Amino acid sequence: GIQVEQSPPDLILQEGANSTLRCNFSDSVNNLQWFHQNPWGQLINLFYIPSGTKQNGRLSATTVATERYSLLYISSSQTTDSGVYFCAVVASTSGTYKYIFGTGTRLKVLA
Amino acid sequence: DVKVTQSSRYLVKRTGEKVFLECVQDMDHENMFWYRQDPGLGLRLIYFSYDVKMKEKGDIPEGYSVSREKKERFSLILESASTNQTSMYLCASSLRPGVAASYNEQFFGPGTRLTVL
Repeated sequence: GIQVEQSPPDLILQEGANSTLRCNFSDSVNNLQWFHQNPWGQLINLFYIPSGTKQNGRLSATTVATERYSLLYISSSQTTDSGVYFCAVVASTSGTYKYIFGTGTRLKVLA
Repeated sequence: DVKVTQSSRYLVKRTGEKVFLECVQDMDHENMFWYRQDPGLGLRLIYFSYDVKMKEKGDIPEGYSVSREKKERFSLILESASTNQTSMYLCASSLRPGVAASYNEQFFGPGTRLTVL
């Protein structure tokens, strides 16, 4: 089945720094999402981005489906950005769809 | 905005109890999902449902059952709770996957932290 790998697994930043999180997937996918899991455990939708580039405030994401990767950019990081970032892809096999999550990048932003 | 709610944020039960976790979504989504999340193991799919009264096993269905009597509500049932079912349980919903790729976007509830003593 499809493998989804995220890097780096852990990241510590000083407030105000920029960062890039990467999501690689091993086969073609129908779509891709980025989530932020806050300290209370809820997964917050950041981007639905099967291809192309999107921006939302200090966050932006780019997916290059032909090369099987997606990048999440965080600029001017804040302590509230701390948490775990997941990418998830949807793959179809024999007409059924499955959501596959990466293992996450744990981000800590220091004041 | 899509809203997915779960009946409890924190729950403490005893071994052998029957446990019900409820999930409700307000966007008329066809698909609903139950995951559990454990440190080092990521999110694992327990069951999903693509329509009322329909259900499909996910990757780890053992020890769980589900019920979907109404489109907006998806229940996870632990028939006889055990300590190894202590976990974070996450419910999600999405429109049915179709030709339009946007149907696949998943939305999550706040999660239920279940402790089985």
